[in-house]
Amino acid sequence: DAGITQSPRHKVTETGTPVTLRCHQTENHRYMYWYRQDPGHGLRLIHYSYGVKDTDKGEVSDGYSVSRSKTEDFLLTLESATSSQTSVYFCAIKGNMNTEAFFGQGTRLTVV
Amino acid sequence: GESVGLHLPTLSVQEGDNSIINCAYSNSASDYFIWYKQESGKGPQFIIDIRSNMDKRQGQRVTVLLNKTVKHLSLQIAATQPGDSAVYFCADDNQGGKLIFGQGTELSVKP
Repeated sequence: DAGITQSPRHKVTETGTPVTLRCHQTENHRYMYWYRQDPGHGLRLIHYSYGVKDTDKGEVSDGYSVSRSKTEDFLLTLESATSSQTSVYFCAIKGNMNTEAFFGQGTRLTVV
Repeated sequence: GESVGLHLPTLSVQEGDNSIINCAYSNSASDYFIWYKQESGKGPQFIIDIRSNMDKRQGQRVTVLLNKTVKHLSLQIAATQPGDSAVYFCADDNQGGKLIFGQGTELSVKP
């Protein structure tokens, strides 16, 4: 398996609280991604990074921010969690353009 | 904007039959496509990819076809087995490394 770890794997939080999810890789891959997966919507790109401190928005970036201060870590922050952000979040890494991406095991986030 | 879509949300096949999963894309500048398989409770796993300078690529029991004229690709699984039951996604890795997924097709294999 690719060296990619998501933490935490499960989290329950209250509406209005900040939440940070972490994606850690040991592959020294350039690209890192955050997706959310909801029934009927497949995988939707939230934000992605193409290098340290280089990030860009995806399809559903509102309410989310990211940071990548070093190659191995990509953090996803919900500044003020809402119930609509209840979802399964996946991180992915990719070495170069036009190569396959590898996924983490996912983080199940519940906002109550 | 760009999008990647699938024609059918579910597909049911008999064990031993061939399966065909279809996908349409909208970005004519896209030059790399990937198929992923996701089993319940797990992250997606790479199956096969194809670049835009190819029309067909074969792997072990899987074939991907790309029709750039109509912006359509398909995944063919030969002699489908119960272990093939999963959700299948096509993905579009367009220029800049932005990786966009379709909604997925759930494949169910009947014994």
